[in-house]
Amino acid sequence: NAGVTQTPKFQVLKTGQSMTLQCAQDMNHEYMSWYRQDPGMGLRLIHYSVGAGITDQGEVPNGYNVSRSTTEDFPLRLLSAAPSQTSVYFCASSQTLSNQPQHFGDGTRLSIL
Amino acid sequence: KNQVEQSPQSLIILEGKNCTLQCNYTVSPFSNLRWYKQDTGRGPVSLTIMTFSENTKSNGRYTATLDADTKQSSLHITASQLSDSASYICVVSASNYGQNFVFGPGTRLSVLP
Repeated sequence: NAGVTQTPKFQVLKTGQSMTLQCAQDMNHEYMSWYRQDPGMGLRLIHYSVGAGITDQGEVPNGYNVSRSTTEDFPLRLLSAAPSQTSVYFCASSQTLSNQPQHFGDGTRLSIL
Repeated sequence: KNQVEQSPQSLIILEGKNCTLQCNYTVSPFSNLRWYKQDTGRGPVSLTIMTFSENTKSNGRYTATLDADTKQSSLHITASQLSDSASYICVVSASNYGQNFVFGPGTRLSVLP
Protein backbone atom coordinates (compact mmCIF):
# COMPACT_ATOMS: atom_id res chain seq x y z
CA ASN A 1 0.00 0.00 0.00
CA ALA A 2 1.19 3.49 -0.82
CA GLY A 3 -0.81 5.06 2.05
CA VAL A 4 -1.31 8.81 1.58
CA THR A 5 0.40 10.32 -1.47
CA GLN A 6 0.86 14.05 -1.89
CA THR A 7 2.04 15.86 -5.02
CA PRO A 8 4.00 17.94 -5.72
CA LYS A 9 6.63 17.72 -2.95
CA PHE A 10 7.88 21.26 -3.59
CA GLN A 11 6.34 24.26 -5.34
CA VAL A 12 7.20 27.93 -5.75
CA LEU A 13 4.46 30.33 -6.79
CA LYS A 14 4.18 34.02 -7.42
CA THR A 15 1.65 36.10 -5.51
CA GLY A 16 -1.74 35.87 -7.18
CA GLN A 17 -1.16 32.55 -8.92
CA SER A 18 -3.46 29.61 -8.28
CA MET A 19 -2.63 25.96 -7.94
CA THR A 20 -3.94 22.62 -6.72
CA LEU A 21 -2.20 20.39 -4.20
CA GLN A 22 -3.05 16.76 -4.80
CA CYS A 23 -3.76 14.13 -2.14
CA ALA A 24 -4.69 10.49 -2.72
CA GLN A 25 -5.10 7.57 -0.32
CA ASP A 26 -5.50 3.88 -1.09
CA MET A 27 -6.78 2.70 2.32
CA ASN A 28 -10.49 3.33 1.63
CA HIS A 29 -10.60 5.83 4.48
CA GLU A 30 -13.70 7.97 4.86
CA TYR A 31 -12.06 10.88 6.68
CA MET A 32 -9.52 13.12 4.99
CA SER A 33 -8.03 16.41 6.12
CA TRP A 34 -5.68 19.17 5.06
CA TYR A 35 -3.34 20.85 7.54
CA ARG A 36 -0.68 23.49 7.34
CA GLN A 37 2.46 23.40 9.49
CA ASP A 38 4.27 26.61 10.29
CA PRO A 39 7.48 26.99 12.35
CA GLY A 40 6.89 26.93 16.11
CA MET A 41 3.20 26.13 15.75
CA GLY A 42 1.11 23.02 15.84
CA LEU A 43 -0.58 21.75 12.71
CA ARG A 44 -3.69 23.73 11.91
CA LEU A 45 -6.73 22.30 10.13
CA ILE A 46 -7.68 23.94 6.84
CA HIS A 47 -10.53 21.77 5.52
CA TYR A 48 -11.72 18.25 6.10
CA SER A 49 -14.09 15.69 4.60
CA VAL A 50 -16.10 12.92 6.25
CA GLY A 51 -16.84 11.17 2.95
CA ALA A 52 -17.25 11.64 -0.77
CA GLY A 53 -19.30 14.74 -1.51
CA ILE A 54 -19.03 16.11 2.06
CA THR A 55 -16.54 18.78 3.11
CA ASP A 56 -16.30 21.30 5.93
CA GLN A 57 -14.09 24.15 7.07
CA GLY A 58 -11.43 23.87 9.69
CA GLU A 59 -9.59 26.50 11.72
CA VAL A 60 -7.90 28.38 8.84
CA PRO A 61 -9.98 27.92 5.65
CA ASN A 62 -9.67 31.38 4.08
CA GLY A 63 -7.97 31.35 0.67
CA TYR A 64 -8.42 27.61 0.17
CA ASN A 65 -11.05 25.42 -1.49
CA VAL A 66 -11.55 21.67 -1.44
CA SER A 67 -13.76 19.08 -3.08
CA ARG A 68 -14.22 15.34 -2.53
CA SER A 69 -15.63 13.68 -5.62
CA THR A 70 -14.19 10.24 -4.78
CA THR A 71 -13.19 8.43 -1.59
CA GLU A 72 -9.56 8.33 -2.73
CA ASP A 73 -8.85 11.94 -3.70
CA PHE A 74 -9.00 15.20 -1.76
CA PRO A 75 -7.36 18.10 -3.64
CA LEU A 76 -6.66 21.48 -2.04
CA ARG A 77 -6.90 24.57 -4.22
CA LEU A 78 -5.19 27.87 -3.54
CA LEU A 79 -7.34 30.48 -5.25
CA SER A 80 -4.94 33.45 -5.33
CA ALA A 81 -1.66 32.70 -3.58
CA ALA A 82 -0.41 35.10 -0.91
CA PRO A 83 2.96 35.15 0.92
CA SER A 84 1.11 34.25 4.15
CA GLN A 85 0.29 30.88 2.58
CA THR A 86 3.96 29.92 2.49
CA SER A 87 3.94 26.76 4.57
CA VAL A 88 4.21 22.98 4.57
CA TYR A 89 0.89 21.35 3.75
CA PHE A 90 -0.05 17.89 5.00
CA CYS A 91 -2.91 15.68 3.94
CA ALA A 92 -4.16 13.01 6.35
CA SER A 93 -6.70 10.22 6.28
CA SER A 94 -8.31 7.93 8.85
CA GLN A 95 -11.02 5.30 8.97
CA THR A 96 -12.81 7.06 11.83
CA LEU A 97 -12.33 10.21 13.91
CA SER A 98 -12.55 8.44 17.25
CA ASN A 99 -9.73 6.11 18.27
CA GLN A 100 -8.03 5.44 14.97
CA PRO A 101 -4.75 7.13 14.04
CA GLN A 102 -4.49 9.61 11.21
CA HIS A 103 -2.18 8.62 8.37
CA PHE A 104 -0.24 11.55 6.96
CA GLY A 105 1.38 12.14 3.61
CA ASP A 106 4.92 13.51 3.42
CA GLY A 107 3.78 17.04 2.72
CA THR A 108 4.02 19.71 0.04
CA ARG A 109 6.48 22.52 0.73
CA LEU A 110 5.00 25.67 -0.79
CA SER A 111 6.72 29.03 -1.13
CA ILE A 112 4.87 32.12 -2.30
CA LEU A 113 7.05 34.93 -3.59
CA LYS B 1 -9.28 28.21 24.67
CA ASN B 2 -8.20 24.68 23.78
CA GLN B 3 -4.42 24.47 23.92
CA VAL B 4 -1.66 21.88 23.97
CA GLU B 5 1.76 22.82 25.31
CA GLN B 6 4.88 20.70 25.06
CA SER B 7 8.18 20.84 26.86
CA PRO B 8 11.02 21.05 26.35
CA GLN B 9 11.02 22.78 22.99
CA SER B 10 14.17 20.86 22.07
CA LEU B 11 16.33 18.22 23.69
CA ILE B 12 19.74 16.71 22.98
CA ILE B 13 20.72 13.34 24.45
CA LEU B 14 23.39 10.74 23.87
CA GLU B 15 22.60 7.45 22.19
CA GLY B 16 21.52 4.81 24.68
CA LYS B 17 20.14 7.28 27.21
CA ASN B 18 16.49 7.58 28.24
CA CYS B 19 14.40 10.74 28.00
CA THR B 20 10.92 12.00 28.84
CA LEU B 21 8.90 14.54 26.90
CA GLN B 22 6.01 16.43 28.47
CA CYS B 23 2.58 17.50 27.23
CA ASN B 24 0.06 19.66 29.09
CA TYR B 25 -3.37 20.38 27.69
CA THR B 26 -6.46 22.43 28.38
CA VAL B 27 -8.69 20.74 25.80
CA SER B 28 -12.25 20.07 26.89
CA PRO B 29 -14.21 17.87 26.61
CA PHE B 30 -11.46 15.26 26.31
CA SER B 31 -11.72 12.27 23.98
CA ASN B 32 -8.21 10.91 23.50
CA LEU B 33 -4.55 11.89 23.45
CA ARG B 34 -2.12 10.93 20.70
CA TRP B 35 1.62 11.02 20.26
CA TYR B 36 3.13 11.24 16.80
CA LYS B 37 6.74 11.06 15.59
CA GLN B 38 7.73 13.32 12.71
CA ASP B 39 11.04 12.74 10.96
CA THR B 40 12.57 15.72 9.16
CA GLY B 41 10.89 16.19 5.79
CA ARG B 42 8.24 13.56 6.46
CA GLY B 43 4.67 13.47 7.73
CA PRO B 44 3.79 12.56 11.33
CA VAL B 45 3.49 8.86 12.18
CA SER B 46 1.28 7.62 15.01
CA LEU B 47 2.99 6.18 18.11
CA THR B 48 0.15 5.81 20.63
CA ILE B 49 -3.49 6.74 21.23
CA MET B 50 -4.85 6.84 24.79
CA THR B 51 -8.43 7.30 25.92
CA PHE B 52 -9.60 8.73 29.22
CA SER B 53 -9.50 5.36 30.96
CA GLU B 54 -5.95 4.45 29.90
CA ASN B 55 -3.00 5.77 31.88
CA THR B 56 -0.17 3.91 30.14
CA LYS B 57 0.42 2.63 26.64
CA SER B 58 3.61 1.29 25.09
CA ASN B 59 4.87 0.93 21.55
CA GLY B 60 8.27 -0.74 21.63
CA ARG B 61 10.73 1.59 23.35
CA TYR B 62 8.09 4.34 23.54
CA THR B 63 5.83 4.53 26.60
CA ALA B 64 3.15 7.17 26.94
CA THR B 65 1.41 8.04 30.19
CA LEU B 66 -1.75 10.02 30.75
CA ASP B 67 -3.05 11.74 33.88
CA ALA B 68 -6.50 12.99 32.92
CA ASP B 69 -6.99 14.65 36.31
CA THR B 70 -4.01 16.97 35.92
CA LYS B 71 -4.32 17.05 32.12
CA GLN B 72 -0.75 15.94 31.60
CA SER B 73 0.90 13.32 29.43
CA SER B 74 4.46 12.19 28.98
CA LEU B 75 6.33 10.19 26.37
CA HIS B 76 9.25 8.17 27.69
CA ILE B 77 11.85 6.89 25.26
CA THR B 78 14.05 4.06 26.51
CA ALA B 79 17.56 3.26 25.29
CA SER B 80 17.49 5.94 22.61
CA GLN B 81 18.77 5.30 19.11
CA LEU B 82 19.99 7.67 16.42
CA SER B 83 16.78 7.00 14.52
CA ASP B 84 14.80 8.51 17.40
CA SER B 85 16.01 11.95 16.28
CA ALA B 86 12.74 13.60 15.24
CA SER B 87 9.98 15.92 16.42
CA TYR B 88 7.42 14.42 18.77
CA ILE B 89 3.94 15.90 18.59
CA CYS B 90 1.23 15.63 21.24
CA VAL B 91 -2.34 15.84 19.91
CA VAL B 92 -5.51 16.01 22.00
CA SER B 93 -8.91 15.19 20.55
CA ALA B 94 -12.00 16.88 21.90
CA SER B 95 -15.19 14.84 21.95
CA ASN B 96 -17.19 17.22 19.85
CA TYR B 97 -18.92 16.57 16.58
CA GLY B 98 -16.64 16.87 13.61
CA GLN B 99 -12.88 17.01 13.60
CA ASN B 100 -11.38 18.70 16.62
CA PHE B 101 -7.73 17.78 17.05
CA VAL B 102 -5.54 20.25 18.89
CA PHE B 103 -1.87 19.85 17.97
CA GLY B 104 1.03 20.82 20.19
CA PRO B 105 4.06 22.56 18.66
CA GLY B 106 6.26 19.51 19.16
CA THR B 107 9.51 18.71 20.93
CA ARG B 108 12.59 18.40 18.72
CA LEU B 109 14.78 15.49 19.94
CA SER B 110 18.34 15.04 18.74
CA VAL B 111 20.16 11.82 19.62
CA LEU B 112 23.93 12.09 19.27
CA PRO B 113 26.37 9.16 18.94
